[in-house]
Amino acid sequence: AQSVTQPDIHITVSEGASLELRCNYSYGATPYLFWYVQSPGQGLQLLLKYFSGDTLVQGIKGFEAEFKRSQSSFNLRKPSVHWSDAAEYFCAVGAPGGYNKLIFGAGTRLAVHP
Amino acid sequence: GAVVSQHPSRVICKSGTSVKIECRSLDFQATTMFWYRQFPKQSLMLMATSNEGSKATYEQGVEKDKFLINHASLTLSTLTVTSAHPEDSSFYICSASDFGSSTDTQYFGPGTRLTVL
Repeated sequence: AQSVTQPDIHITVSEGASLELRCNYSYGATPYLFWYVQSPGQGLQLLLKYFSGDTLVQGIKGFEAEFKRSQSSFNLRKPSVHWSDAAEYFCAVGAPGGYNKLIFGAGTRLAVHP
Repeated sequence: GAVVSQHPSRVICKSGTSVKIECRSLDFQATTMFWYRQFPKQSLMLMATSNEGSKATYEQGVEKDKFLINHASLTLSTLTVTSAHPEDSSFYICSASDFGSSTDTQYFGPGTRLTVL
């Protein structure tokens, strides 16, 4: 069965510092992979996605993620965090093809210190 | 592009009443919409998958008679919580997919906060 693990429930970084949020997945083949961000009381905004091709994916707001098949990982990175990046981040996996359901990780809450 | 709206954003109702939540894809046609429930500080739990013109597919443990889903058009899906009780209080989020296009991605609405008194 598909599953997603986000090992870090809560991360705190200083503004301007680099960030890496971890995501590991379990899936029988190459899945579709997504990172979403959720601000308090809001829905989810898509940051980036990986379907195929280049394993380093660029997203919005300066985020990027790298798909590593050997490690079953899709970690999210940002070189310099801004205070506005404080939010909840969800990694999700979906099956290729139509009508696929997304399986979400538990989420990582990011706090940014000034 | 790819904007999904939900209405209302917040609703408070009395126990025993029914509440309808609308999910609309504003600038694309969504053959499939999904309804999620999110408890405080937790991840999203998929409740059901809604396909335009057909019955919704519910996840295990979700009562189909309590959470009625209608997907009458390619841009609108509704979730009706029937005979609501306090334990139904939650954050409900819908998503709409553009499967069949080149992007094959789910876009999420802003969510609806339901409080049942």
